[in-house]
Amino acid sequence: DGGITQSPKYLFRKEGQNVTLSCEQNLNHDAMYWYRQDPGQGLRLIYYSQIVNDFQKGDIAEGYSVSREKKESFPLTVTSAQKNPTAFYLCASSITGRPEAFFGQGTRLTVV
Amino acid sequence: EDQVTQSPEALRLQEGESSSLNCSYTVSGLRGLFWYRQDPGKGPEFLFTLYSAGEEKEKERLKATLTKKESFLHITAPKPEDSATYLCAVQALNYGGSQGNLIFGKGTKLSVKP
Repeated sequence: DGGITQSPKYLFRKEGQNVTLSCEQNLNHDAMYWYRQDPGQGLRLIYYSQIVNDFQKGDIAEGYSVSREKKESFPLTVTSAQKNPTAFYLCASSITGRPEAFFGQGTRLTVV
Repeated sequence: EDQVTQSPEALRLQEGESSSLNCSYTVSGLRGLFWYRQDPGKGPEFLFTLYSAGEEKEKERLKATLTKKESFLHITAPKPEDSATYLCAVQALNYGGSQGNLIFGKGTKLSVKP
């Protein structure tokens, strides 16, 4: 089945550590995105990529980094510079020419 | 500034009690308005896209409508399995291409009791 796979589902990080969240899609979508979801807030865009080897910052990119070396993969690294990293992270993708984004099942990151 | 406001924040219904969720938006030219359903601990599930005022889309017990300032998600004779958070998002015309630079509302949490 085609879809977007995020891993792990739950992730615990010690303060000062970098962690990488995985996002893989087999939908052949060109565009991929990372959102952050906090309780009582709407989803906020961290980074997006429309094509391999190219990506742009979203509204809250500080403390995060991404890469897009393959069409299928768009990993997100949460660095130690991110002040409040505990959140639910969602990866999404979309078809070129269509605005609808389709989401993975999310990764819940907790800083301990 | 582009903005999306959803109301109410939470809605409790009895099974079979129809109601509507509201999504009001301020955007510099609407490219599309989207409704998603999100279950606890899961990613949002795409429901509808609406592009222009007067457009309507239906899926089972859900019907989405669009005006120039707001969208409604009507739920007819809801069942307990309709319980979820419903998210509304918009994309402005100033965004080119297909990138889903969506602006999300905070959602409406719907609970349907048997």
